[in-house]
Amino acid sequence: QSVLTQPPSVSGTPGQRVTIPCSGSSSNIGSYFVFWYQHLPGTAPKLLNYHDFERPSGVPDRFSGSKSGTSASLAISGLRSEDEADYYCAAWDDSLSGPVFGGGTKLTVL
Amino acid sequence: EVQLVQSGGGLVQPGGSLRLSCATSGFSFSGYAMTWVRQAPGKGLEWVSAIGGSGATTYYADSVKGRFTISRDNSKKTVYLQMNSLRADDTAKYYCAKTRSWVAADFDYWGQGTLVTVSS
Repeated sequence: QSVLTQPPSVSGTPGQRVTIPCSGSSSNIGSYFVFWYQHLPGTAPKLLNYHDFERPSGVPDRFSGSKSGTSASLAISGLRSEDEADYYCAAWDDSLSGPVFGGGTKLTVL
Repeated sequence: EVQLVQSGGGLVQPGGSLRLSCATSGFSFSGYAMTWVRQAPGKGLEWVSAIGGSGATTYYADSVKGRFTISRDNSKKTVYLQMNSLRADDTAKYYCAKTRSWVAADFDYWGQGTLVTVSS
């Protein structure tokens, strides 16, 4: 069981907006920044969002993060087929004294 | 351009040892912590170990503490993960990651990953 909770899968059609939720606790999301990673099989994970909602250069503004209390979410708008990937939320956890990841959410573009 | 190129890995018997390497370029290596993250087959990402920029501080997940050792050679801009007493549940793809800030999960560049299979 992952410390951060994500749904195993979400799906959407091209052009649609989908949201991937990430639930934690006061020892992680409630106290620290949330990060989001995109992982396509066979490739290196890619940082999508940092510090809850900031985007690294080169990441389209279709990917937007948000946080409220002990939960966070990643919204992907204007869905494209190339967005099919696994998405992970992550944050520091005080109880474990280390970074923790969500279990990952597989996005399928129908 | 930031690059992290991993090597090492492979098939090893339970109880055996393996060393992973992660050679970097394109950034001031000694100025950043480095982290190892793994992904077991069919599972999500799991933090394994991290090391501060100078190499003086190291951190380990409970699952590998006492068996794995992280180190770095700043002159070679390379980070290593020595894995001893390997178990079947260490089977995973291992990634190294440049760590922008330690008390966070802030990994801005990742290696391509290297597969470690522990099996008899």
